[in-house]
Amino acid sequence: AAGVIQSPRHLIKEKRETATLKCYPIPRHDTVYWYQQGPGQDPQFLISFYEKMQSDKGSIPDRFSAQQFSDYHSELNMSSLELGDSALYFCASSYRGYEQYFGPGTRLTVT
Amino acid sequence: AQTVTQSQPEMSVQEAETVTLSCTYDTSENNYYLFWYKQPPSRQMILVIRQEAYKQQNATENRFSVNFQKAAKSFSLKISDSQLGDTAMYFCAFIPYTGTASKLTFGTGTRLQVTL
Repeated sequence: AAGVIQSPRHLIKEKRETATLKCYPIPRHDTVYWYQQGPGQDPQFLISFYEKMQSDKGSIPDRFSAQQFSDYHSELNMSSLELGDSALYFCASSYRGYEQYFGPGTRLTVT
Repeated sequence: AQTVTQSQPEMSVQEAETVTLSCTYDTSENNYYLFWYKQPPSRQMILVIRQEAYKQQNATENRFSVNFQKAAKSFSLKISDSQLGDTAMYFCAFIPYTGTASKLTFGTGTRLQVTL
């Protein structure tokens, strides 16, 4: 079965740089979520999109923005990167907000 | 707001034995779902089992089963015949049933080590 695809899998950036993370949901899933997981922590919700419209917003910094495109893929844009942004970023998708299936994550390291 | 509590930071079990991971939650919602996710060393988040709050019957998936006590707001995970591949962090998670785009609220996780 098709799974959620995230790219890139690993990303190294310097402070103050910009990063773009991409997510391709499971086919026919209408909702995409972004989570951030710091070392030794549980995943924290950032933002979600339902049918290409922002649906909910969590503790997402103003430096971050996201959108969902017409083909349902989503991108998380992160600017003015800080050392504290180093984390594992998950994208998940679901159909009608039911159970969420997670991608493999993008490991972002800010140096 | 919902909260999910996992009071066991770490647990250990011998291969082939049974282990139970605890989870409690707090919510004012009447309709919701509960999940257990597994995160092995690869860091992939894998859905293990789900429970709909309106169902009284406890969910089972092969060696994994839950004990769902709605009145007590308790949702424990039992792993039978533990295998080395079960070694992982296990997260309990809650989601209210709104029909669309609800976020998962996770507990802090229980690290399970399966030993020989």
